[in-house]
Amino acid sequence: NAGVTQTPKFQVLKTGQSMTLQCAQDMNHEYMSWYRQDPGMGLRLIHYSVGAGITDQGEVPNGYNVSRSTTEDFPLRLLSAAPSQTSVYFCASSKNRGEGYTFGSGTRLTVV
Amino acid sequence: GDSVTQMEGPVTLSEEAFLTINCTYTATGYPSLFWYVQYPGEGLQLLLKATKADDKGSNKGFEATYRKETTSFHLEKGSVQVSDSAVYFCALTPRSGAGSYQLTFGKGTKLSVIP
Repeated sequence: NAGVTQTPKFQVLKTGQSMTLQCAQDMNHEYMSWYRQDPGMGLRLIHYSVGAGITDQGEVPNGYNVSRSTTEDFPLRLLSAAPSQTSVYFCASSKNRGEGYTFGSGTRLTVV
Repeated sequence: GDSVTQMEGPVTLSEEAFLTINCTYTATGYPSLFWYVQYPGEGLQLLLKATKADDKGSNKGFEATYRKETTSFHLEKGSVQVSDSAVYFCALTPRSGAGSYQLTFGKGTKLSVIP
């Protein structure tokens, strides 16, 4: 049971480049989310999904896009990378709202 | 909106000392409450949870009690070890409504335990 798998672990982008952060879970969880973690800011929700084909915005969605074509996968796309998107990104999934989320190990992104 | 406030760190303790990390919250109704732990270079792991008033969550010697009257969920451990050195996050999820699909986090408290 792999849990939540994120790739890549590290990435350096130039300003203006685009890329996709991959997230996959094998626990058949309906709920999936993307968070970013910045020093002194805690974790902030970017986008979330309550099932295949259903996504919605979180607290800081600008500059990011998501889709959920399958229960297992929830990729996060950076449309045009900016230095302000330098952060550690975590994907998380949950079976139901009261159970808490299982987190991936994160992607450390640097935009130069 | 909902919010979580936890004590600022860093916190440095000697091995076998008693640990308390304070957490208070602001939310409508009765949210579910969580403590997560993040070890260096890793993702967050769920440490314990409580879903209703007076519930006590416990795991690995850590405990926290859901106090509705003081809107608090303080984390405690009787005797910390070096291996407990990590960042601890308090978080909540509303019981219902659109926000119930997301976690609201405190800013985290870094704990360092020295031998």
